[in-house]
Amino acid sequence: AQTVTQSQPEMSVQEAETVTLSCTYDTSESDYYLFWYKQPPSRQMILVIRQEAYKQQNATENRFSVNFQKAAKSFSLKISDSQLGDAAMYFCAYPGAGSYQLTFGKGTKLSVIP
Amino acid sequence: DVKVTQSSRYLVKRTGEKVFLECVQDMDHENMFWYRQDPGLGLRLIYFSYDVKMKEKGDIPEGYSVSREKKERFSLILESASTNQTSMYLCASSLGDPVGNIQYFGAGTRLSVL
Repeated sequence: AQTVTQSQPEMSVQEAETVTLSCTYDTSESDYYLFWYKQPPSRQMILVIRQEAYKQQNATENRFSVNFQKAAKSFSLKISDSQLGDAAMYFCAYPGAGSYQLTFGKGTKLSVIP
Repeated sequence: DVKVTQSSRYLVKRTGEKVFLECVQDMDHENMFWYRQDPGLGLRLIYFSYDVKMKEKGDIPEGYSVSREKKERFSLILESASTNQTSMYLCASSLGDPVGNIQYFGAGTRLSVL
């Protein structure tokens, strides 16, 4: 069974500062995708960023970037210049080779302090 | 924009009732999913469907069934609701090829079984 581990149940960051959320996963595959999803309070879950495992370059979407360490099976999310709207649950997810379903981590609740 | 609509945001039912949770997507996606979200447990897959009338069990199918008679609609059925099925239920959809495809989520249905 695929496993995805988010070791930080809760984190906080000062507004305008940088925070990194960690995620590790278990796989024997060489080519796959990884995802970070964001779920704001009482709002629907949306994709933050996606990484292809065979790409050397870390994915970036505006203030969001990943640190993908394939050998270590680590996929952390960095949020720069944190804003109040970044406060949410963040989930790391891994689909597995050719799998329709996503396996999610248990989530990290991020609070942003004004 | 992809839209995934869940028929109810909040639902209160009594033990033993038959409960239907409805989900509709408007992007002609082949795949549809039902997840259950509980604090500290993340998202767990109940069932998914990769085509009309096709379904596959996820990680926690016990006590649930599904129906997909039309491509855009995927229903989750609790045959006899129990208090341990009180939870947040999320529907999602994605394109057919599973590799790397983004899942799009509905806003969720918070079900309380009394």
